[in-house]
Amino acid sequence: SQTIHQWPATLVQPVGSPLSLECTVEGTSNPNLYWYRQAAGRGLQLLFYSVGIGQISSEVPQNLSASRPQDRQFILSSKKLLLSDSGFYLCAWGDRVGTEAFFGQGTRLTVV
Amino acid sequence: GESVGLHLPTLSVQEGDNSIINCAYSNSASDYFIWYKQESGKGPQFIIDIRSNMDKRQGQRVTVLLNKTVKHLSLQIAATQPGDSAVYFCAETSSGSARQLTFGSGTQLTVLP
Repeated sequence: SQTIHQWPATLVQPVGSPLSLECTVEGTSNPNLYWYRQAAGRGLQLLFYSVGIGQISSEVPQNLSASRPQDRQFILSSKKLLLSDSGFYLCAWGDRVGTEAFFGQGTRLTVV
Repeated sequence: GESVGLHLPTLSVQEGDNSIINCAYSNSASDYFIWYKQESGKGPQFIIDIRSNMDKRQGQRVTVLLNKTVKHLSLQIAATQPGDSAVYFCAETSSGSARQLTFGSGTQLTVLP
């Protein structure tokens, strides 16, 4: 069966520090991969999606970047965090044939 | 469509009553719809889906209704239980969207004892 791992679960980082959140998927090949952000009490905002290694599409201009160095690994990064980067970050994967997305447990990022 | 900047609408129901959560979409090309449940501090979990060639689909205690004429989707939960308290999101996608999901704003369901 397929599983998705996202870590860390919580993170407190000072303004101006770098960020690296990692997501890996097991049990599937060539998944579509997604990074979402969710502010408290709000909906889900798609940040990045990837249909293959090295292929990243950005949905919104921001202080973040994403990379996909391996087929089942998706990384969300920032060189210098801003206060406004605080939020709940969710990684998800989707099968190329089916269309539902399966989510990780999320990372609660607080920038202080 | 995506409404990430809005506060979530809320719905409160008595335990044992039926719940109906509604969602409107705007893309007439959308052909696949999903309902997710998100508990506090967790990632969304798949509940039920429906394709555009159907207008109703039933699961365990849940039913999804699709009205393509008015671009409306609803989730009905029978005999609502305290464990059903969560935020519910609808999502839609179309074959021309690289299968990206577009999420609705979500509804906070609270089950009252």
